[in-house]
Amino acid sequence: QVQLVESGGGVVQPGRSLRLSCAASGFTFSVYGMHWVRQAPGKGLEWVAVISFDGSNIYYADSVKGRFTISRDNSKNTLYLQMSSLRTEDTAVYYCGKKAPGGVEASPDYWGQGTLVTVSS
Amino acid sequence: QTVVTQEPSLSVSPGGTVTLTCGLSSGSVSSSHYPSWFQQTPGQAPRTLIYSTNTRSSGVPDRFSGSILGNKAALTITGAQADDESDFYCVLYVGRGIWVFGGGTKLTVL
Repeated sequence: QVQLVESGGGVVQPGRSLRLSCAASGFTFSVYGMHWVRQAPGKGLEWVAVISFDGSNIYYADSVKGRFTISRDNSKNTLYLQMSSLRTEDTAVYYCGKKAPGGVEASPDYWGQGTLVTVSS
Repeated sequence: QTVVTQEPSLSVSPGGTVTLTCGLSSGSVSSSHYPSWFQQTPGQAPRTLIYSTNTRSSGVPDRFSGSILGNKAALTITGAQADDESDFYCVLYVGRGIWVFGGGTKLTVL
């Protein structure tokens, strides 16, 4: 069965960096694009970034563009989100999601349990 | 800036039918937006119900269905059950590699 396990969250000061990981299993990781989605405390879901199956196509939400970098290591079945210049408004639970079958327009069909990032001085 | 609209809250009686909608602040939603629907209960990760307008995700019962109704995407729940009480989110693909979530609908079953 598909399993996605995020890690790397924690408390970080504004302006610092943090790297999240998402370990994938139960499917052929190297043939599916992947998403990062976040949810601030008590708020709705916000799409963050997407990466194609081979890493050749990457897109970001305007709110994180230039500060966050999505990447993947298909040899390790792992997705990453490098977050830099963190702001208090980046405080959220971060979820990774496997893209549903289909084309570049596919949204997540499986989700991890999330990892909490708290940006605070 | 693209805004995706959802009803903030809806209610349904047990066994009843309810339709949640997902619209665009400017323009109509079509299958080209690949609307998807997610269910989330407090403290839990989202669960995908529908993707690409009307494809049910694995294990999702057929009382959940997706469609385009008029100029919006729609999620219809038939035979509502108590454990359907949760938050529902839609997401639309708005082009250029970008997705936008709606603000969510809080569904009450009473």
